[in-house]
Amino acid sequence: KAGVTQTPRYLIKTRGQQVTLSCSPISGHRSVSWYQQTPGQGLQFLFEYFSETQRNKGNFPGRFSGRQFSNSRSEMNVSTLELGDSALYLCASSARGVNTEAFFGQGTRLTVV
Amino acid sequence: AQSVTQLDSQVPVFEEAPVELRCNYSSSVSVYLFWYVQYPNQGLQLLLKYLSGSTLVKGINGFEAEFNKSQTSFHLRKPSVHISDTAEYFCAVTSYNNNDMRFGAGTRLTVKP
Repeated sequence: KAGVTQTPRYLIKTRGQQVTLSCSPISGHRSVSWYQQTPGQGLQFLFEYFSETQRNKGNFPGRFSGRQFSNSRSEMNVSTLELGDSALYLCASSARGVNTEAFFGQGTRLTVV
Repeated sequence: AQSVTQLDSQVPVFEEAPVELRCNYSSSVSVYLFWYVQYPNQGLQLLLKYLSGSTLVKGINGFEAEFNKSQTSFHLRKPSVHISDTAEYFCAVTSYNNNDMRFGAGTRLTVKP
């Protein structure tokens, strides 16, 4: 069974640009959650999608958005990038929700210059 | 809302010695608890989880943890560590009706020869 796939693995963007990250969950999983990991703030929850609907949202500005497609693949978008958005973005896949078990992708390392 | 405190940011230990990584949680409802490991430039891998039942939970790679409700703790233990156990370890909490998984700040385990 294939694991969680995040693309791209590495990304360099300029301040003010926007970026789209992709996550393909494990086959059959309907829940996809996104996390931001930085040295200063640690792992912070961004949002969770289940069956194409946003079910939970963390405390991030509206520049961070996401969506989920009918095949459960998910994308997150960050607009008007700031230097502080530089982070490892992790996607977690689960059958019903991360409160039972979550499988993480390798992450996308975003650097904003 | 739940929260997690990992009491040690760094734990150095010699190979074949026992280790304990400490985790305390705060919650007003029944919790689910997890330990994840992260190797450099990788995502998170689930070591073990407590959902219900026996308070002693065994995981992969010889790790185990004990859920202590009265002390609100979920400490991770291994009787004999290997060099390959060097990594960052994260304790996480959620609950049956909450898919917002909260992580601790992490404990950096360094195993020395």
